[in-house]
Amino acid sequence: QQQVKQSPQSLIVQKGGIPIINCAYENTAFDYFPWYQQFPGKGPALLIAIRPDVSEKKEGRFTISFNKSAKQFSLHIMDSQPGDSATYFCAANQAGTALIFGKGTTLSVSS
Amino acid sequence: GAGVSQSPSNKVTEKGKDVELRCDPISGHTALYWYRQSLGQGLEFLIYFQGNSAPDKSGLPSDRFSAERTGGSVSTLTIQRTQQEDSAVYLCASSLDPGYYGYTFGSGTRLTVV
Repeated sequence: QQQVKQSPQSLIVQKGGIPIINCAYENTAFDYFPWYQQFPGKGPALLIAIRPDVSEKKEGRFTISFNKSAKQFSLHIMDSQPGDSATYFCAANQAGTALIFGKGTTLSVSS
Repeated sequence: GAGVSQSPSNKVTEKGKDVELRCDPISGHTALYWYRQSLGQGLEFLIYFQGNSAPDKSGLPSDRFSAERTGGSVSTLTIQRTQQEDSAVYLCASSLDPGYYGYTFGSGTRLTVV
């Protein structure tokens, strides 16, 4: 009930490609779905977040797509750059509880 | 402060020793969280504080782990009788309140038990 399952574990794309990272959750009480980006030696940093009342949210080159009926959400990175190479985590929670994180996706963007 | 500060950044300890990890959250952030990050295991929730109380400590792996928060600010995570499986990066985060605000993470304490 409390899991957030993330795939793939790792991803390699060429510069300009559109990597897609997927997450699935089980707890229907979850109503906040953020994505975090982590560079080596640093803590994760909030990238973008969505609530279940919308199906898509864009911030710059990053887009979250949300499918409430399937209990799935995904991150798309448009025109990916070598500087986007990092580990990405999806997460979910409901108010008053701590975020539950997926296991992460290591993205490598080759130039 | 401007960000979440954790100390020490690295800690090497002998098996069986006790260690204390410190977290200074962003001023004014009432919620504080501890997570553990091991290779390939993502971010494992340990405990969260709202003010000085801990509404959820369900993630603490064993009774060797404890945490406290004083003055609604600094928090200390204590691991007693450390074991090799405790080796990981311990991350602290704070947020304005335990609602839907984004977490600000520190850079973590890398703990190595030898």
